Amino acid sequence: KQEVTQIPAALSVPEGENLVLNCSFTDSAIYNLQWFRQDPGKGLTSLLLIQSSQREQTSGRLNASLDKSSGRSTLYIAASQPGDSATYLCALSSQGGSEKLVFGKGTKLTVNP
Amino acid sequence: EAQVTQNPRYLITVTGKKLTVTCSQNMNHEYMSWYRQDPGLGLRQIYYSMNVEVTDKGDVPEGYKVSRKEKRNFPLILESPSPNQTSLYFCASRSWEGYEQFFGPGTRLTVL
Repeated sequence: KQEVTQIPAALSVPEGENLVLNCSFTDSAIYNLQWFRQDPGKGLTSLLLIQSSQREQTSGRLNASLDKSSGRSTLYIAASQPGDSATYLCALSSQGGSEKLVFGKGTKLTVNP
Repeated sequence: EAQVTQNPRYLITVTGKKLTVTCSQNMNHEYMSWYRQDPGLGLRQIYYSMNVEVTDKGDVPEGYKVSRKEKRNFPLILESPSPNQTSLYFCASRSWEGYEQFFGPGTRLTVL
């Protein structure tokens, strides 16, 4: 059974710092991996999606990498801002066309001004 | 604006009183799903649908029903709600060819 772990559960950094959020998974037979952002009282916003054949994806200050062999993905946030404060979730799909996403429990990020 | 909408956003009810949470998407997506989010347990899939009249169970389907009579709508039905169904519920959708999931704003349900 696929398990997804995100460490740390919470992270507090000063504004401007570059940071890395981690996501590990137990079964390397994944189809794709998504990073989401969740703001309090709101839904999830998709940030980046990496297909299993890809190594990384970039969007603005965000860069996500995927290493299937080691069962790891990282989300790199450059020059963090207070507006980046949110909970970040990774989720993966293990089968092509499958609607089942397995989520990690998230990392709550606080960026202090 | 492309979006997934859910109603109601907040609901307090009592044990055994049937309720329906609606979900609608305006992106002509084939796939739709329901998740619940609980502290310490994360997000877990309840049911999903690959198209009209095609639905299947997720990880935690007990106590829930769904239907997909129209492509845009995917209501979640609790026939006899119980306190352990108190949770934050999310609906999501995606297209056949795309894998990015779009989530609704969530419905916070409290069952007393």
